[in-house]
Amino acid sequence: GDSVTQMEGPVTLSEEAFLTINCTYTATGYPSLFWYVQYPGEGLQLLLKATKADDKGSNKGFEATYRKETTSFHLEKGSVQVSDSAVYFCAFNAGGTSYGKLTFGQGTILTVHP
Amino acid sequence: GAVVSQHPSRVICKSGTSVKIECRSLDFQATTMFWYRQFPKQSLMLMATSNEGSKATYEQGVEKDKFLINHASLTLSTLTVTSAHPEDSSFYICSAIADLQGYQPQHFGDGTRLSIL
Repeated sequence: GDSVTQMEGPVTLSEEAFLTINCTYTATGYPSLFWYVQYPGEGLQLLLKATKADDKGSNKGFEATYRKETTSFHLEKGSVQVSDSAVYFCAFNAGGTSYGKLTFGQGTILTVHP
Repeated sequence: GAVVSQHPSRVICKSGTSVKIECRSLDFQATTMFWYRQFPKQSLMLMATSNEGSKATYEQGVEKDKFLINHASLTLSTLTVTSAHPEDSSFYICSAIADLQGYQPQHFGDGTRLSIL
């Protein structure tokens, strides 16, 4: 069935380090892919999205490329900040009869130290 | 951008009471709203899908009579936890989607921390 597998955390980095959080998916058809971020005690915020193969989503220095051949959507940032500490969720919307439902990964906790 | 407001942000109440949580889309009409439950350090668990003017579709294992969902308008959905007990304590999050076509993202509220004593 449909699923998302994220790199297990927690991930701990020093400020200005390079970040990669791996995400792979299993879905039928051509889903839209998303990264959401959740800060402590808050709901989820859409970080970036990509709706077709080879699209690159980007926002706030984060980026991810929709790789259909490897069914991946890895999140990257060249230089993380302390304020990036949060939980990151990879998700997809399979479209069609899924009626907007999202399939989520398990989340990856990121902690950035000064 | 699309804004979803969820209220209240936190509620503490005695066992046996019913609690209503509101979810509003502030600047768009939501064809569909979703209700999630999130346990500490875990991902979101979809509880139900709510469409304006029709009955909610519940996920397997979610009690319909326990978690009443009403989607009265294109901008408002409510979740009522009836006769709440300590095991219902959790973080509840709603989301809304404007358009089921074109694979649009869901926009999330800030969540409601429910604590049942």
